[in-house]
Amino acid sequence: DQQVKQNSPSLSVQEGRISILNCDYTNSMFDYFLWYKKYPAEGPTFLISISSIKDKNEDGRFTVFLNKSAKHLSLHIVPSQPGDSAVYFCAASGVETSGSRLTFGEGTQLTVNP
Amino acid sequence: GAVVSQHPSRVICKSGTSVKIECRSLDFQATTMFWYRQFPKQSLMLMATSNEGSKATYEQGVEKDKFLINHASLTLSTLTVTSAHPEDSSFYICSARSPWLAGGGDEQYFGPGTRLTVT
Repeated sequence: DQQVKQNSPSLSVQEGRISILNCDYTNSMFDYFLWYKKYPAEGPTFLISISSIKDKNEDGRFTVFLNKSAKHLSLHIVPSQPGDSAVYFCAASGVETSGSRLTFGEGTQLTVNP
Repeated sequence: GAVVSQHPSRVICKSGTSVKIECRSLDFQATTMFWYRQFPKQSLMLMATSNEGSKATYEQGVEKDKFLINHASLTLSTLTVTSAHPEDSSFYICSARSPWLAGGGDEQYFGPGTRLTVT
């Protein structure tokens, strides 16, 4: 039962343009969402998070949007840079469901072309 | 801040031997540490959750006698793969969480991972 899904395994964008990575979830008890970036043979790096009481959180070039009614979140990166090329995982947690455990999506490989 | 280290980064061992992987939170005290496994082109699979001073909670399908987890202090957790077999070859990643870090959410901070190859 995949509770967190990233339906696009890959995304390719031009440098300077916007990258939009999408994530859907099924468990309505999730109340905290996170995005991680991962390079090959390295551990994931925390990027940005959002609580379910918000619908937007911004940190520099990264913005996360949460649509609770649609059970959908997205990560916007603008402007995209070649160094952003990596696998991006969304993750979700909920005190009622799993305590501090995170449920990860399958990941989306982002490639930013110079 | 929130740096997590893992040692070793890469290990090759013979089938039947045991391997210990260390996970340390370098600049914070981790109340909870997690161990993940990642297969090529797949997502992170949570193996177990450990709280300092108590027994680890293993995910369904993970053999607790094979993957021994010890969380003896607030900065150190170890994963020992016992009687390793080639199918245990994988990328093992630990993460740490602390409610005292800024943000206070469920952020986990990951180590760089350990590549285990069993021959």
